[in-house]
Amino acid sequence: SQQGEEDPQALSIQEGENATMNCSYKTSINNLQWYRQNSGRGLVHLILIRSNEREKHSGRLRVTLDTSKKSSSLLITASRAADTASYFCATVPTLDDKIIFGKGTRLHILP
Amino acid sequence: EAQVTQNPRYLITVTGKKLTVTCSQNMNHEYMSWYRQDPGLGLRQIYYSMNVEVTDKGDVPEGYKVSRKEKRNFPLILESPSPNQTSLYFCASSPYQNQPQHFGDGTRLSIL
Repeated sequence: SQQGEEDPQALSIQEGENATMNCSYKTSINNLQWYRQNSGRGLVHLILIRSNEREKHSGRLRVTLDTSKKSSSLLITASRAADTASYFCATVPTLDDKIIFGKGTRLHILP
Repeated sequence: EAQVTQNPRYLITVTGKKLTVTCSQNMNHEYMSWYRQDPGLGLRQIYYSMNVEVTDKGDVPEGYKVSRKEKRNFPLILESPSPNQTSLYFCASSPYQNQPQHFGDGTRLSIL
């Protein structure tokens, strides 16, 4: 059963604007990871946030985690055309060896 | 170069003809996994392996088999493929289960 659900499913913004994607999950987690996928290629890891962390930054990426609401957000600041891709969250459950991916958010940056 | 290599990248075959998709990683990772990606459904885990000779079912294991005889290899076997297994498949590996995964470039399977 999938537990990561991204929101929105698709997002189009102008270059230079900020893009925010959300992820909700259902059970307690060890950590949550965000990945990026370009057009049918393999996923690339972006950032990992542990269950005891609330916010993490990496370059233009900012990830937050709210374990009480079982949700996370990925913010991409000052978007560029090259950010056009699909973004997925993946949760690592506390009591399971599986990894659960969401359905993804398709981000399109308009020039 | 650290990588996960899948073969073949593309395959068109017919119902019932056994096929194997190979996956190999050169990073000495313990955790390996297979996913399928379908439009509107995201990535779903098929099987995973915590280490050599240790495999377990993911969320959609029906119709698939795997083996992990060596640390670097984790083949996906479709004994009797059916059209509903037409999909884009990804192999991934990580040092341990809770760490970021490295993905292969994918295998696009079409079962006619």
